[in-house]
Amino acid sequence: DVKVTQSSRYLVKRTGEKVFLECVQDMDHENMFWYRQDPGLGLRLIYFSYDVKMKEKGDIPEGYSVSREKKERFSLILESASTNQTSMYLCASILRGGTQGKEQYFGPGTRLTVT
Amino acid sequence: AQKVTQAQTEISVVEKEDVTLDCVYETRDTTYYLFWYKQPPSGELVFLIRRNSFDEQNEISGRYSWNFQKSTSSFNFTITASQVVDSAVYFCALKGNTGFQKLVFGTGTRLLVSP
Repeated sequence: DVKVTQSSRYLVKRTGEKVFLECVQDMDHENMFWYRQDPGLGLRLIYFSYDVKMKEKGDIPEGYSVSREKKERFSLILESASTNQTSMYLCASILRGGTQGKEQYFGPGTRLTVT
Repeated sequence: AQKVTQAQTEISVVEKEDVTLDCVYETRDTTYYLFWYKQPPSGELVFLIRRNSFDEQNEISGRYSWNFQKSTSSFNFTITASQVVDSAVYFCALKGNTGFQKLVFGTGTRLLVSP
């Protein structure tokens, strides 16, 4: 079974702190994604990566950056956390599939609170 | 632009009732894929089904069934004889005809099944 793990289930940080959210998958997937989930807004794509050291902006990249140094690990970085980044963050991974649609495998999520 | 609309924010039913979750999508792609995911209280999104745009056959899996109608751009999900364990947030998602496995999610429908 594919396993996607996230470093923390719950995280509380102060405004202005640098925050790292880590995601690791164990199935050699090329593509990895970071989403944030907010009530009434569903899941919105922040960044994705289709290979090591490759990254693409999603729909809401402002205030975030990412790092993909190893195939299995995809990190989301909040350079200076703000209260409007309080949210649930979900990581997902998928095999490279070209244009064919494939299901994404999700981690359990990190609920981040910025005070 | 691609869009997925789940107009039902929350649905409450009593156990054993049937319930249908609506999903309407918009895309200009002729080839696309539709998905349903379940998010139980634990937070992790669980893949339920994938449908490509060329396959309009309805699908049944146990108590779950899906009705895909291109004429109305809808991909509705029905749970027959609902159970308390069906309580979750359900997301409909769309992938268009691009090389990256990006999904566009709806805002989700929260289903509450009471005993």
